[in-house]
Amino acid sequence: ETGVTQSPTHLIKTRGQQVTLRCSSQSGHNTVSWYQQALGQGPQFIFQYYREEENGRGNFPPRFSGLQFPNYSSELNVNALELDDSALYLCASSGPTGVTEAFFGQGTRLTVV
Amino acid sequence: AQRVTQPEKLLSVFKGAPVELKCNYSYSGSPELFWYVQYSRQRLQLLLRHISRESIKGFTADLNKGETSFHLKKPFAQEEDSAMYYCALSWNNQGGKLIFGQGTELSVKP
Repeated sequence: ETGVTQSPTHLIKTRGQQVTLRCSSQSGHNTVSWYQQALGQGPQFIFQYYREEENGRGNFPPRFSGLQFPNYSSELNVNALELDDSALYLCASSGPTGVTEAFFGQGTRLTVV
Repeated sequence: AQRVTQPEKLLSVFKGAPVELKCNYSYSGSPELFWYVQYSRQRLQLLLRHISRESIKGFTADLNKGETSFHLKKPFAQEEDSAMYYCALSWNNQGGKLIFGQGTELSVKP
C-alpha cells in the first residue's frame, strides 16, 4: 500500500504567475482534499474532490481551482499568485464516504516572491 | 460558525510530568473530533479520534459536549512526545473535510 505523495516538494514563483501542484492519493482512496497551511497556523481547507467533481469548498477565491483524474490523483492550480499565497500546501486522501480518517502527504512548500 | 480553538501555542513540560493540551470547538451538530500530530520532519498523521475511545501512545481524549471541549491528556510525558499537535473537527462528518485549530507545540524536556 502506497501513501499520499505530493510534487514538487518546494517551488518558488513570481507574483502574478500560475502554479500547479500534484497529489497521488493513497491506494484505495477515492477522495482528495487540499489544505493551505500558513506559517504558524493550522491547515485551512481549500476544497475536496470526489469522483472527479468538486465536493465542498472552503473560503478561497476562484483563482484556486482543482482537478481529479480517473485514477483519483489530483491537481491544485493557483492563478495570479499573490505574496500571501506563500504557504505549505497539503493534500489528504480518504476512503469512501463514512470513513473520515484523512491521510496526509508531506506537502509542497510554495514561496511567492 | 464552525471553529476549533487551541489556546496554547507552546506547552513545555518535564519528562514524567502530566500533559493536557486544550481544544475547544464550536459546531452546530454532532461533531467528530480528532487529534493529529506532526513530529519533526514528518507528515501530519492521525493520533486519535473521539469515536474510537482508544488510547494511542498513552494519550487519551474525551469529548465533553457540555463544555464543547476535546482535551488531549497523557499522565507521564516522554521526550519522544515532543511535536506539534492539532485538534480538528470533521466538517459535516465527511471524510477529509477538516477544520483545524492553530496547533500546540509540545516540548518535553529531559
